[in-house]
Amino acid sequence: DQQVKQNSPSLSVQEGRISILNCDYTNSMFDYFLWYKKYPAEGPTFLISISSIKDKNEDGRFTVFLNKSAKHLSLHIVPSQPGDSAVYFCAASERNNFNKFYFGSGTKLNVKP
Amino acid sequence: DTEVTQTPKHLVMGMTNKKSLKCEQHMGHRAMYWYKQKAKKPPELMFVYSYEKLSINESVPSRFSPECPNSSLLNLHLHALQPEDSALYLCASSQGVGLGQPQHFGDGTRLSIL
Repeated sequence: DQQVKQNSPSLSVQEGRISILNCDYTNSMFDYFLWYKKYPAEGPTFLISISSIKDKNEDGRFTVFLNKSAKHLSLHIVPSQPGDSAVYFCAASERNNFNKFYFGSGTKLNVKP
Repeated sequence: DTEVTQTPKHLVMGMTNKKSLKCEQHMGHRAMYWYKQKAKKPPELMFVYSYEKLSINESVPSRFSPECPNSSLLNLHLHALQPEDSALYLCASSQGVGLGQPQHFGDGTRLSIL
């Protein structure tokens, strides 16, 4: 059973607007969460992370929000650019097994010019 | 440019062949990983090496044999693979010390089993 879920396989957004990608998890032992971006024919690229002691982390146009009570995290991209078009994976790991990442199935973001 | 280098980028092999996938990083990372990714699926962890010792084997069949000759290199030896083993094989590395270390991925080897 998948412990990290991305329920939206795809998302289409106009350039300049906000993109919101969502991720839900079931394991209350998860302590560290990440977002990766993947272009075709390339490996996943680390974007941004957040530990469970925080509820928000920001890096430029990218902000990750964590709602522990809802077991939900989201990635906000503002403003969205055509170069952001890619597949986005969320991932999580447990405190006692930090080397093992559990990945969601990905959301394909299309930013239209 | 990725700092984790994987070779070859593509590999086609028969079910009786023996081949190896290679991965190299020079970031001083002490943990290295092999993942398998099928189309439209998330990466699935196969093996983790921490300080050059195998720390996690996710019940991977013995036809996949990992090797970590030193802290910068990681190999995956392949023998008698099945058609269902066709996938993208990703290598990753992380600092390996404690929680909160992102893994950095290579671009993968696209493996096809005939």
